[in-house]
Amino acid sequence: RKEVEQDPGPFNVPEGATVAFNCTYSNSASQSFFWYRQDCRKEPKLLMSVYSSGNEDGRFTAQLNRASQYISLLIRDSKLSDSATYLCVVNVKGSGSTLGRLYFGRGTQLTVWP
Amino acid sequence: DVKVTQSSRYLVKRTGEKVFLECVQDMDHENMFWYRQDPGLGLRLIYFSYDVKMKEKGDIPEGYSVSREKKERFSLILESASTNQTSMYLCASSFTRNRVAGSTDTQYFGPGTRLTVL
Repeated sequence: RKEVEQDPGPFNVPEGATVAFNCTYSNSASQSFFWYRQDCRKEPKLLMSVYSSGNEDGRFTAQLNRASQYISLLIRDSKLSDSATYLCVVNVKGSGSTLGRLYFGRGTQLTVWP
Repeated sequence: DVKVTQSSRYLVKRTGEKVFLECVQDMDHENMFWYRQDPGLGLRLIYFSYDVKMKEKGDIPEGYSVSREKKERFSLILESASTNQTSMYLCASSFTRNRVAGSTDTQYFGPGTRLTVL
């Protein structure tokens, strides 16, 4: 079983739409959670961290449910510039002297059309 | 601003060649990582390093080795390139947030090297 599973997409939505991405993770030792964004032919970049209390950054809202091991990202009022692949990312704690590492979902592709 | 640079954006090599991919970061990050990214498979971790001269295997280390002689530089080596190593290679670096708790901070990625092995 993969550490991180995401909606495969692709999502094609009109400008102004609200779109939600979901993600589940399998390792209960996961300790921090992120959404990264990757534009076509570019490197991934951090979009936002995800906290248990939920957090918002402008049009973007991230939620974490530790009991269900579920993460979500909501984008409101979609813009053309939101078109990208969104990666769900989980930091799993290391054991012993080993530090944690990130596990990436395969990504969900979003296309916003005019 | 964090900057992670990779030696080449595009590289074409022949089967059997030894290939070096270089990555340099300028933020004094302890941790460095090499991933490959393939369509439908996402990002897969090849090797990582938490300190100079230290290395840990990731999920797909076979056919690769790494070198970390200086803190800012992490090299990925394909000892004998094969066509199934054609891929996008991404380097990343991060701070250690809490060594006792075993947690690291946000990873910053380089622009990637698209390697084609013929």
